[in-house]
Amino acid sequence: SQTIHQWPATLVQPVGSPLSLECTVEGTSNPNLYWYRQAAGRGLQLLFYSVGIGQISSEVPQNLSASRPQDRQFILSSKKLLLSDSGFYLCAWSVGGSPQETQYFGPGTRLLVL
Amino acid sequence: GDSVTQMEGPVTLSEEAFLTINCTYTATGYPSLFWYVQYPGEGLQLLLKATKADDKGSNKGFEATYRKETTSFHLEKGSVQVSDSAVYFCALKSGNQFYFGTGTSLTVIP
Repeated sequence: SQTIHQWPATLVQPVGSPLSLECTVEGTSNPNLYWYRQAAGRGLQLLFYSVGIGQISSEVPQNLSASRPQDRQFILSSKKLLLSDSGFYLCAWSVGGSPQETQYFGPGTRLLVL
Repeated sequence: GDSVTQMEGPVTLSEEAFLTINCTYTATGYPSLFWYVQYPGEGLQLLLKATKADDKGSNKGFEATYRKETTSFHLEKGSVQVSDSAVYFCALKSGNQFYFGTGTSLTVIP
C-alpha cells in the first residue's frame, strides 16, 4: 500500500531563517506531487505541483520554492522566512491519467515563524 | 473557472442528529467529486468520492450523491457522533486540476 511521510511534524523558525520541508511517498511510481498551505482556520492554497523529476509548476509567486530531486521526494524551501509563511503545510500525491485520480495527503508540517 | 462552494460553518450538532453539509460546483465537462475530512492537527483524509453523475459515494456512515442536474454533492450522515467532529472539505477534479472548498467545521456535542 502507499504511504506518504512529511517531516518535520512541527517547526518553529525565526524570521529570515531558511526552510526545508520534506515529503516522500512510498509504494507508487511517478506520482504527481503537490504542496499546499493552510493558514489557521482557512482553506487550502496550492503552492506547487510536480508531474515528474525536476518538473515544478508554481501557482503562487512568493519566497518559497520547491524541488523534486527524486521520483518520490518533494521538497519545499525558502531562503528567508517571513512571518506570513506561518501555517500548516500539506503534501499530497496522486497518480494521474484517469477519471479515478484521487489526491492523498500527508500528515502535515506545522510551521510557526517568529 | 472551475470551483467548489460549500456551506459556511461552523456547524454544531447534538449527538445522533442528522448532518447535511452542502456543496455545489462549477465545472466544464465531467468532474470527479470528493469529500475529505480533517481532524485537528492532521492532514486531509479521503472520506468518499464519486466519478460520474448519479454515483453515490459512501464511507463510515457518510454518503453523497453526484447530482449533475443541480451541480451538487451534499454530504449527509443519519446520526453523527462526537468522533465526527472535524473539518470537512468538498473537492473536485476537472481536467488535470483539483479544486477545494474552504471547509466546513463540524462540532458534535454529547
